[in-house]
Amino acid sequence: QKEVEQNSGPLSVPEGAIASLNCTYSDRGSQSFFWYRQYSGKSPELIMSIYSNGDKEDGRFTAQLNKASQYVSLLIRDSQPSDSATYLCAVKGSQGNLIFGKGTKLSVKP
Amino acid sequence: NAGVMQNPRHLVRRRGQEARLRCSPMKGHSHVYWYRQLPEEGLKFMVYLQKENIIDESGMPKERFSAEFPKEGPSILRIQQVVRGDSAAYFCASSPSAEGLRGYTFGSGTRLTVV
Repeated sequence: QKEVEQNSGPLSVPEGAIASLNCTYSDRGSQSFFWYRQYSGKSPELIMSIYSNGDKEDGRFTAQLNKASQYVSLLIRDSQPSDSATYLCAVKGSQGNLIFGKGTKLSVKP
Repeated sequence: NAGVMQNPRHLVRRRGQEARLRCSPMKGHSHVYWYRQLPEEGLKFMVYLQKENIIDESGMPKERFSAEFPKEGPSILRIQQVVRGDSAAYFCASSPSAEGLRGYTFGSGTRLTVV
């Protein structure tokens, strides 16, 4: 059974701080990893994808991948109240479907 | 490009009725994925379809649930004889192919309430 694990939170950070979200996965053969953001009552939206070991930066977001440790993380710099949402980690399965973790709820306090 | 279109946005059904959820993928996308999300839960994969083919239905409950993606028209997720436990948000996503390194684009979802 392929699994994606996330700490459900809630993770609370003050405005302007760095939020760090973590994810582990069980399938060592996984090649593609994604972070989605979901606001309450809304659909998930893709914010980052990463395929190679190391860091990938996009604006205030940095995704980190360590395939040896089967670990993916998302860093949000200069966190804003508008970043308050649930962050879903997803791993692409062998058939092409995405397998999601349960999500980490982030709360950024003004 | 209108994105992934799902309808209806909200659907109320009485126990025992049928629910039909529709999904039109983005233009040029031939791969459709259905997910279910219970309150305060993550997204659970249900089924992956291409035009006229079911590729992976490993997440579909064995009874009462079916899905199709005909040559013409939207993909349909059908739930027969609904029960209270079917109440959830059902999301559809599409992609241009299963290959490559792309994520999906999700529709706005259908929120099913069984009363």
